[in-house]
Amino acid sequence: GAVVSQHPSRVICKSGTSVKIECRSLDFQATTMFWYRQFPKKSLMLMATSNEGSKATYEQGVEKDKFLINHASLTLSTLTVTSAHPEDSSFYICSPTSGAYNEQFFGPGTRLTVL
Amino acid sequence: RKEVEQDPGPFNVPEGATVAFNCTYSNSASQSFFWYRQDCRKEPKLLMSVYSSGNEDGRFTAQLNRASQYISLLIRDSKLSDSATYLCVVPNYGGSQGNLIFGKGTKLSVKP
Repeated sequence: GAVVSQHPSRVICKSGTSVKIECRSLDFQATTMFWYRQFPKKSLMLMATSNEGSKATYEQGVEKDKFLINHASLTLSTLTVTSAHPEDSSFYICSPTSGAYNEQFFGPGTRLTVL
Repeated sequence: RKEVEQDPGPFNVPEGATVAFNCTYSNSASQSFFWYRQDCRKEPKLLMSVYSSGNEDGRFTAQLNRASQYISLLIRDSKLSDSATYLCVVPNYGGSQGNLIFGKGTKLSVKP
């Protein structure tokens, strides 16, 4: 399978701070990046989809001004949680793909805890 | 019907047992299906892909019933290392992005 890195793996921050999560596809070009989040005992839910060089498309109920996504290159995408609040505490997972409906790979995830 | 629905679990079975998980999906246009395995606090990892009536890989067998929009995963001779949450996953054919739709998962605990 493809190699995907995600950094940081875990972050604990105070309410009101911003957190940036990086996702890198190390051995293939990710034309599309999916960002999911998973609350405890819940399924992964798609937050947004970004195509390299384009603005991200956000799912209903996901605030685009709160979750800033940058996909400037085919190997790097970032998700910034701005002014984080405790309800943003979750497991965030990136999933790069080289094309629609191709096998998707997942980063190891970032566990965010907002105090 | 929810887009992807799974047995709630948890399933607690002894080593060596055979266990089956069920999954139903709502989009009749779906062509491919996946079973992922997710360990606690880890990302999902692909276990099996299902494109036709079924797939078998060692102790794992996935079966597809398109008429009933139903997928199953059978694990034979359960090992302690099979303990995990099993996710039924269907590509989002209704959308234009090709993302995956995940079931809530079924937790399996294999005991000695």
